[in-house]
Amino acid sequence: GAVVSQHPSWVICKSGTSVKIECRSLDFQATTMFWYRQFPKQSLMLMATSNEGSKATYEQGVEKDKFLINHASLTLSTLTVTSAHPEDSSFYICSATDRGHRRDEQYFGPGTRLTVT
Amino acid sequence: AQTVTQSQPEMSVQEAETVTLSCTYDTSESDYYLFWYKQPPSRQMILVIRQEAYKQQNATENRFSVNFQKAAKSFSLKISDSQLGDAAMYFCAYRGSGGSNYKLTFGKGTLLTVNP
Repeated sequence: GAVVSQHPSWVICKSGTSVKIECRSLDFQATTMFWYRQFPKQSLMLMATSNEGSKATYEQGVEKDKFLINHASLTLSTLTVTSAHPEDSSFYICSATDRGHRRDEQYFGPGTRLTVT
Repeated sequence: AQTVTQSQPEMSVQEAETVTLSCTYDTSESDYYLFWYKQPPSRQMILVIRQEAYKQQNATENRFSVNFQKAAKSFSLKISDSQLGDAAMYFCAYRGSGGSNYKLTFGKGTLLTVNP
């Protein structure tokens, strides 16, 4: 149980285009979903927290107009990287907390590798 | 703000031996949670072990155990009988008990190599 999926697992896009990454909780309802960014050989950096039906809360220094987050249902959150540039190339990971069960534990998706050319 | 420090960027251990990974943290909260996550080359984050700060007993999960020293704000991970599959990046993480967001603060990680 407690499986989180991400789609796509990897994506290549051209500079200036937008790309959407989906995060789904497959067998539980997610109260909250988190989006992280990870550069090679570095730690996870929290970008934003999204609660179902409300606006995402962004961490300091993260451009909310560039990284659009939508948490439309209890099982789906999306991250859209708008007008992508090569410096946005990174590994993006989502996680989710399980409503009503061990709410303090985050379940992680497998990540999405974004390459902007 | 809470901070998590992992002072060992890299560690190595011989197969079947024991290794301890260090983690210290800084917080003004009295109630919180601590975690160790493993990230193998696949990059899938895997929860290894968790510790509630209000529990004095150290958590154990099979070959994995922690030494939680609340006063010293130390939370080390011991891996016994190391296996080749234990090779990975290990992250220590902190989560406060207040609020509704359940944010995790991660350390910079320790890359563990297991030598056959």
